[in-house]
Amino acid sequence: GNSVTQMEGPVTLSEEAFLTINCTYTATGYPSLFWYVQYPGEGLQLLLKATKADDKGSNKGFEATYRKETTSFHLEKGSVQVSDSAVYFCALSGQAGTALIFGKGTTLSVSS
Amino acid sequence: NAGVTQTPKFQVLKTGQSMTLQCAQDMNHNSMYWYRQDPGMGLRLIYYSASEGTTDKGEVPNGYNVSRLNKREFSLRLESAAPSQTSVYFCASSEGSSGSYNEQFFGPGTRLTVL
Repeated sequence: GNSVTQMEGPVTLSEEAFLTINCTYTATGYPSLFWYVQYPGEGLQLLLKATKADDKGSNKGFEATYRKETTSFHLEKGSVQVSDSAVYFCALSGQAGTALIFGKGTTLSVSS
Repeated sequence: NAGVTQTPKFQVLKTGQSMTLQCAQDMNHNSMYWYRQDPGMGLRLIYYSASEGTTDKGEVPNGYNVSRLNKREFSLRLESAAPSQTSVYFCASSEGSSGSYNEQFFGPGTRLTVL
């Protein structure tokens, strides 16, 4: 069945450091891929998405590229801020109306 | 637009008590979902409703029931709460139409503790 594996955290960085959070997936067909972010005490917010191979999703300085050949969707940001401290979830989706499959989440902590 | 709303935000129950978690969306979405979030487990699907009038079990449905009351509302009921149901519960919705990318929108969550 479909599954998502993302790197375990916590990830601790200093402000302005480069961020990579790895995400790989197993899926049949051509899923859509998502990164969600959860700030402390809040629900999940969509950070970015990619719906087909080689698509690059981007938002708020974060980027991720849908790599079908390596079944990956790694999240990157060139310069993190303290306000980026949150839990990040990689997810995939099959057809409309079906549930998202989530990774277990990666906690990012950024210090000034 | 309020998006996805959930009530209550917090709840403490004793073992054996029942309660209903309410969820509503104002985006005219067809599909709605209930997830639970536990430390180190990510989000796991409890039940979902692909369209009004239909519901289906997810990964962890035991101990729960759901009702898709209308297109806007999707409730989750715990008939006899157990400590293992202590969790954070999230409701989500998506457009659900054929050809859509299934982007899901989440509510703020209900933090439930069962003693």
